[in-house]
Amino acid sequence: NAGVTQTPKFQVLKTGQSMTLQCAQDMNHNSMYWYRQDPGMGLRLIYYSASEGTTDKGEVPNGYNVSRLNKREFSLRLESAAPSQTSVYFCASSKMGTGGNTEAFFGQGTRLTVV
Amino acid sequence: QKEVEQDPGPLSVPEGAIVSLNCTYSNSAFQYFMWYRQYSRKGPELLMYTYSSGNKEDGRFTAQVDKSSKYISLFIRDSQPSDSATYLCAIRGGSYIPTFGRGTSLIVHP
Repeated sequence: NAGVTQTPKFQVLKTGQSMTLQCAQDMNHNSMYWYRQDPGMGLRLIYYSASEGTTDKGEVPNGYNVSRLNKREFSLRLESAAPSQTSVYFCASSKMGTGGNTEAFFGQGTRLTVV
Repeated sequence: QKEVEQDPGPLSVPEGAIVSLNCTYSNSAFQYFMWYRQYSRKGPELLMYTYSSGNKEDGRFTAQVDKSSKYISLFIRDSQPSDSATYLCAIRGGSYIPTFGRGTSLIVHP
């Protein structure tokens, strides 16, 4: 059981380049999330998708776009990378709802460096 | 003020010590409380989950919630070097989206 799978694991970009981070989950979860994690800042929500076909902005959406391709896959795109986007990116998924057993499960992260 | 406050540490303890990790939160609407453990260069993994005041125990780990004080704790008994990691609290209210603390770095030395 793979859980949440992110690709690539590492990436170095030049300023202005674009790239897409891929995320797929096999837990049949409705909701998916993209976070970035920076030293001293904790996990900050970039975008989320409550269910297939919907996406919404989180705390730090500027410079990013997302696509919920289907129930399993949720991608994050950087159109024109900037050094400020150097970070570790985590994808997560959860069952939909606010009750029990709806906690989030995380992928292993993508370490992105923009030079 | 962030909705969830957590001391980043690092917290350094000898093997076998009892560890206390804490978070405070500001929104009384928060109802669900989670602790995640994150090893270096890995993704966060869910450690414990609770939605009521009081204690919840799982092996060497105890999660404690005090809603009246808006204070949550994670206790680790008989700490081991393998417990060395960053511990993140996460709290959720009516929305299904959790709010995370910044994480506390724990170092357990032999």
